Amino acid sequence: NAGVTQTPKFQVLKTGQSMTLQCAQDMNHNSMYWYRQDPGMGLRLIYYSASEGTTDKGEVPNGYNVSRLNKREFSLRLESAAPSQTSVYFCASSLGTSGYEQYFGPGTRLTVT
Amino acid sequence: GNSVTQMEGPVTLSEEAFLTINCTYTATGYPSLFWYVQYPGEGLQLLLKATKADDKGSNKGFEATYRKETTSFHLEKGSVQVSDSAVYFCALSDYGQNFVFGPGTRLSVLP
Repeated sequence: NAGVTQTPKFQVLKTGQSMTLQCAQDMNHNSMYWYRQDPGMGLRLIYYSASEGTTDKGEVPNGYNVSRLNKREFSLRLESAAPSQTSVYFCASSLGTSGYEQYFGPGTRLTVT
Repeated sequence: GNSVTQMEGPVTLSEEAFLTINCTYTATGYPSLFWYVQYPGEGLQLLLKATKADDKGSNKGFEATYRKETTSFHLEKGSVQVSDSAVYFCALSDYGQNFVFGPGTRLSVLP
């Protein structure tokens, strides 16, 4: 039982390049989330998927797109990376969106130069 | 809207000292409350939770009690260790689609 896995662990991009961050969970959870964590800013929600087939914007969605590929997988895409997107990205999952704890992956450390 | 407020850090303690990290919340209804811990270079791990008023969550010597009258969920540990050095996040989840994290409190425990 791996929980929530994320790939890659580290990535360096040049401004304007694109990439996709992958996330998978094996806990049969319905809901999945993408956060970014910046020094002094805490965790900020980018997008979430309450259930398979649905996605919704969070607090900071600009510059990102997501795909809920199936119940297990939720990917985050940066179409044209900017230095402001340098951050640590965390994927999380939960049984549902109301009252349930979230379980986090180990994170992806992204640097955009 | 919903919000979580935590005491400002960093908190620096000596080993075996008593720890309290204050957390208060604003929410409609009866949210579930959580404490998460983040060790350097890692993701957040659920430390403990409480789902209704007067519930006490506990794990690894840490405790927190859901106090609805004071809208608080303070984290306590009787005797901290160097290995407890980490960032601690208070969070809530209500019965809408809201999961709200506090800003985090960095704890450093000195030997």
